[in-house]
Amino acid sequence: EAQVTQNPRYLITVTGKKLTVTCSQNMNHEYMSWYRQDPGLGLRQIYYSMNVEVTDKGDVPEGYKVSRKEKRNFPLILESPSPNQTSLYFCASHQDSMNTEAFFGQGTRLTVV
Amino acid sequence: GQNIDQPTEMTATEGAIVQINCTYQTSGFNGLFWYQQHAGEAPTFLSYNVLDGLEEKGRFSSFLSRSKGYSYLLLKELQMKDSASYLCAVECERGSTLGRLYFGRGTQLTVWP
Repeated sequence: EAQVTQNPRYLITVTGKKLTVTCSQNMNHEYMSWYRQDPGLGLRQIYYSMNVEVTDKGDVPEGYKVSRKEKRNFPLILESPSPNQTSLYFCASHQDSMNTEAFFGQGTRLTVV
Repeated sequence: GQNIDQPTEMTATEGAIVQINCTYQTSGFNGLFWYQQHAGEAPTFLSYNVLDGLEEKGRFSSFLSRSKGYSYLLLKELQMKDSASYLCAVECERGSTLGRLYFGRGTQLTVWP
């Protein structure tokens, strides 16, 4: 089954404690992205990657890091989480060709206290 | 910057027809997507338009006018399960500018019995 898998689904952590949210896709997609979703602000792109070892900042990259060492995985790293990073996070992937929709992971609800 | 506007909220009754509008001003255009998102869940793909005109898919249709920077999603024979947020997203150029998706803030549709 074609899917994007994120882990964990829910996470409560404390300020400053490094964490990683994993994302894996099994569709051999070139393009992967991370979004955060906050009430009234919609989906905002954090980072994206066009292929292995090719990443770039989205609209809200501050406080986040990513890596793309393998095509299927695109982890999101918060080196020193802060309460303003409390949000619902989505990973997405799509093929790099016309008329292909993005597939989203189930989401990770992160709370930083 | 990219600007994608859609109404914040809409309501309708079961069995009715509703039209959700989206206007956009973006640097580059490679297609427009509509996604449906139920509360706390991942967005799921509904439709894609790249040429002017209407795309019909069952109870859902989507229209695009590139010259006007305008799209709408038409939902017919509304059902209670159609209560969700509907996200308009514009894809900018693939390749050199990496096929980024820019999302509107979403339109929360409530269907009443």
